[in-house]
Amino acid sequence: DTEVTQTPKHLVMGMTNKKSLKCEQHMGHRAMYWYKQKAKKPPELMFVYSYEKLSINESVPSRFSPECPNSSLLNLHLHALQPEDSALYLCASSQEGLAGGSYNEQFFGPGTRLTVL
Amino acid sequence: AQKVTQAQTEISVVEKEDVTLDCVYETRDTTYYLFWYKQPPSGELVFLIRRNSFDEQNEISGRYSWNFQKSTSSFNFTITASQVVDSAVYFCALDSNYQLIWGAGTKLIIKP
Repeated sequence: DTEVTQTPKHLVMGMTNKKSLKCEQHMGHRAMYWYKQKAKKPPELMFVYSYEKLSINESVPSRFSPECPNSSLLNLHLHALQPEDSALYLCASSQEGLAGGSYNEQFFGPGTRLTVL
Repeated sequence: AQKVTQAQTEISVVEKEDVTLDCVYETRDTTYYLFWYKQPPSGELVFLIRRNSFDEQNEISGRYSWNFQKSTSSFNFTITASQVVDSAVYFCALDSNYQLIWGAGTKLIIKP
């Protein structure tokens, strides 16, 4: 299994809703990432988990809350979002954790297209 | 400062033409990695290649080839005999402290 899966594919939510995005990989990768991508822009890093611990938080607003229940799963909990949070949310994983000593390529899921009304 | 520049915002060619996507980077690191990713309209980012700073050999994979030149800080990507399925946004990226610094992307349109 060499893929990263994400659910749901599309999500529409109101500003008062609470929802979660899910990401799963079964490649034994030790690092997992959340990115936000606006139209016609490159991805922006949000969070990195390395060996199931939050290693990087790119000053993301607290209305986004990541969770890594185990080495294969990564969630992103959403609460009180704003319309400007509408974007494609991408999950990725890489073989080594951030302490691996060398950079390794990230493999991306298909993304969740989020619309906040 | 770490930076990746993809000066070509959009390129349009007719199928079977060769096309080169430019990538210029800036870094003060002596050891670094460069990447190319493809993002088709479906949205998923597809890893194409990783190159480390000590390996200046050009690489060929089927119709794809990459030209890494440290002297000019460039890592260009050529598609030979382009096909409609090559239509996508292509991103060049540089690693920095285990984070990717992304170029703005080049949208490639292959017309039948």
